[in-house]
Amino acid sequence: TQLLEQSPQFLSIQEGENLTVYCNSSSVFSSLQWYRQEPGEGPVLLVTVVTGGEVKKLKRLTFQFGDARKDSSLHITAAQPGDTGLYLCAGARGTSGSRLTFGEGTQLTVNP
Amino acid sequence: DAGITQSPRHKVTETGTPVTLRCHQTENHRYMYWYRQDPGHGLRLIHYSYGVKDTDKGEVSDGYSVSRSKTEDFLLTLESATSSQTSVYFCAISGWGLAGTTDTQYFGPGTRLTVL
Repeated sequence: TQLLEQSPQFLSIQEGENLTVYCNSSSVFSSLQWYRQEPGEGPVLLVTVVTGGEVKKLKRLTFQFGDARKDSSLHITAAQPGDTGLYLCAGARGTSGSRLTFGEGTQLTVNP
Repeated sequence: DAGITQSPRHKVTETGTPVTLRCHQTENHRYMYWYRQDPGHGLRLIHYSYGVKDTDKGEVSDGYSVSRSKTEDFLLTLESATSSQTSVYFCAISGWGLAGTTDTQYFGPGTRLTVL
């Protein structure tokens, strides 16, 4: 059973469009991380959210943690080809050094 | 960027041979992890360590062993490699950092292993 469901799995859009990626679970998480991974490289941390209802912005990327800390979303405004990559969400359910549960990822392609 | 290196970056080996992958960190973080990444399965935890000589199994630990004799090094060993262990292996670390939490993990560049 996949504890973190990411949707959509694949997304191909044109440059300039907006998009939202969702990460949903029936479990409560103490924190949730979003990563971006490019081919041949390891995942790179984008943001960590820890408080229910928290919203964080990173340039054109907006991350939201659900009020109940069971879900999260990533919204990209005016996508650019450089945003292309695999976006992964991961939730932690403990405190120190807790294991992360990963979603399967959303493969985003932004066409020029 | 977190100081994490993995070696080798690429390896081709034959079924039945032992293989050891190394993860080295310069961040002095307490926690270290080994994952494998396969299409359709995402990232799956193999083993992790919460300190020197303290390790535990993850969700896909069969066929793998680990050792951590120093804070900075975490070794993953395939005692007798099989074709099903062909994968990309990532090491990760976590500890107190800018995020103010030990839950955030930072990943190495990965090792692509092919077992023929």
